Parts: sequence; C-alpha cells; structure tokens
Amino acid sequence: GAVVSQHPSWVICKSGTSVKIECRSLDFQATTMFWYRQFPKQSLMLMATSNEGSKATYEQGVEKDKFLINHASLTLSTLTVTSAHPEDSSFYICSARVKFTLSPTDSRIYNEQFFGPGTRLTVL
Amino acid sequence: LAKTTQPISMDSYEGQEVNITCSHNNIATNDYITWYQQFPSQGPRFIIQGYKTKVTNEVASLFIPADRKSSTLSLPRVSLSDTAVYYCLVGSYSSASKIIFGSGTRLSIRP
Repeated sequence: GAVVSQHPSWVICKSGTSVKIECRSLDFQATTMFWYRQFPKQSLMLMATSNEGSKATYEQGVEKDKFLINHASLTLSTLTVTSAHPEDSSFYICSARVKFTLSPTDSRIYNEQFFGPGTRLTVL
Repeated sequence: LAKTTQPISMDSYEGQEVNITCSHNNIATNDYITWYQQFPSQGPRFIIQGYKTKVTNEVASLFIPADRKSSTLSLPRVSLSDTAVYYCLVGSYSSASKIIFGSGTRLSIRP
C-alpha cells in the first residue's frame, strides 16, 4: 500500500515556541491531506483538510491562526503549531487521500486514506 | 456524514473468531464502509472496505446486510497482536469526502 511518513516522530518544546510537523506521501501524489489530533484514550479528531495549492479548510473549533497548514506540493503538507502551550500536547496524525476506481464497469470513485505514523508533541 | 455506533470495548481469547458490529442507520446511497485498526501511538491502518454483501481479504471479512444500516467486521482466529482499537467509518464516493472517526472499539485479546 501507499506510504505516508511524518517528521518528526516526536518533539518536546518549551511553551511559546512554534513546532512544524511534516507529512509526506512517499510513493504517490496526494492532492488532499488531512490532519488529526488524538488525546490519550480518545478517538482521532479531524482538525483540517489540506488541499494542494489552496487554503486549508478547518473544522469548527480549530483555530486556523494557531495551527498553520501549508500544502505546497503534491507530496508534502506541513502543520505548524504556533506559540505552543501545554494544552497543545497531543498525538498529531496526518493522512493522504487516494482516489481510485475498481473496474471499468464500476464508475464509483473510492476514497482510501493512508495514515502517517503520527507525531507526539509534548509542550513543557 | 453518517454517524457510526460501535461497542466501546470487547474481550476475546486467542484462536477465537471476533465479530465487531457497527451501526450506521443514516448511511446514504453513495456511502461505503471502511474499517481501520490502530495500535497505541501509531496511525490507523486500513483493514477492509465494502459497499454491500460480503468482502474478504487476507486479514478480515466484512459483512454488510441488504439494508446497509450496519456492518460486521470479522477477524478469524485472533492472536494477541490483534489487540487494538478498531474504527468503523462511513465514507462517500464524493471527491469532497472526509473521514470522521467515531469512538472505536477497544479489542483486548487474552491468552
């Protein structure tokens, strides 16, 4: 299957600093990537949809000035947590969407998302 | 987006078959069902996807009844390494589709 990488895998920073997380699709191009955050023992929460060459679409309640998303190429999206605070400590996961059809006789477009391994952010 | 409901947790033993059922009463005609597996501190991993009836791959089977208001993920002969959280998701064939995660089912396998 398609591979999505994230860098760094973990980061510890001081309160007030900014942290950038990279999400790369290694063997395919992704016009759309997604960013999620996950707190311990909880499900993934969608933060934003990142579209190549255009502005990201943020979910309700997610501060766009706090979580800057850039999708400058078909294989790279970045999430920058600006002025991070301890409450931003979480597990951040990206995914890249691939669209495909199963057969010439089936016109439906399937969407499959491939997830990165996640980035553990700890803000002291 | 159709909301999904799954059991919060399930327990089973090695070698058993495990069936996790998910309800999605508001599933639309253009929606399909996907199951993901997640281990602690890792990203979700795709397991299986289907639209109706039965789908089988090398790791699981997915049963979807005719009304498509529910689906069942079947894991044959589970092992300790199948201990994970399993998410049932409903996606759309629309190009604007995005995946919203429900609470998932925490599956614990005992020796």
